[in-house]
Amino acid sequence: GAGVSQSPSNKVTEKGKDVELRCDPISGHTALYWYRQSLGQGLEFLIYFQGNSAPDKSGLPSDRFSAERTGGSVSTLTIQRTQQEDSAVYLCASSLTSGRATDTQYFGPGTRLTVL
Amino acid sequence: AQSVTQPDIHITVSEGASLELRCNYSYGATPYLFWYVQSPGQGLQLLLKYFSGDTLVQGIKGFEAEFKRSQSSFNLRKPSVHWSDAAEYFCAVGAYEKLTFGTGTRLTIIP
Repeated sequence: GAGVSQSPSNKVTEKGKDVELRCDPISGHTALYWYRQSLGQGLEFLIYFQGNSAPDKSGLPSDRFSAERTGGSVSTLTIQRTQQEDSAVYLCASSLTSGRATDTQYFGPGTRLTVL
Repeated sequence: AQSVTQPDIHITVSEGASLELRCNYSYGATPYLFWYVQSPGQGLQLLLKYFSGDTLVQGIKGFEAEFKRSQSSFNLRKPSVHWSDAAEYFCAVGAYEKLTFGTGTRLTIIP
């Protein structure tokens, strides 16, 4: 079956613009996660969804970052007023159930964001 | 809070040679441990995971890892590497729903 998909694969934007990154999880997976991979910072957890709600937003770096999930499926990560330090690869993952570290997370290919 | 250390940023190994990638973790309870591999331009693929039981776990692509509680380590091994193993390898510890990753080890294979 299809894996986790993300779009766009690459996004170049100008500083100050808003961007939206999309994630389509594996069908039937109830949990969805966003991570950021940047040089010097490694992989950082951003946010986790259980269904359409986000019990853990602790990793969002600032109030410019927000995310939503609709229909228990697609998720959108929005970055407002982008800054150069937002440049990174944004990875999405999904797992069958949620809230347990034992659930295997399956990752998408990522969206590479470049802020000029 | 949990943390993961991968002390080797970059390792170069000859094709056919054995490999060991180091991972040390810090976590107050029983750790859930993972190794992921990331090939250029690809997402993360799970190689293997440890939750409990036998401390030597087998994964895909001929990889194995050994959990040593006394050393807080979960090192990844492969007896004979192939050129296709060139990639970046990430160790992670799971707590609740969140994975905390190490900074990764880049593996280069030379002929």
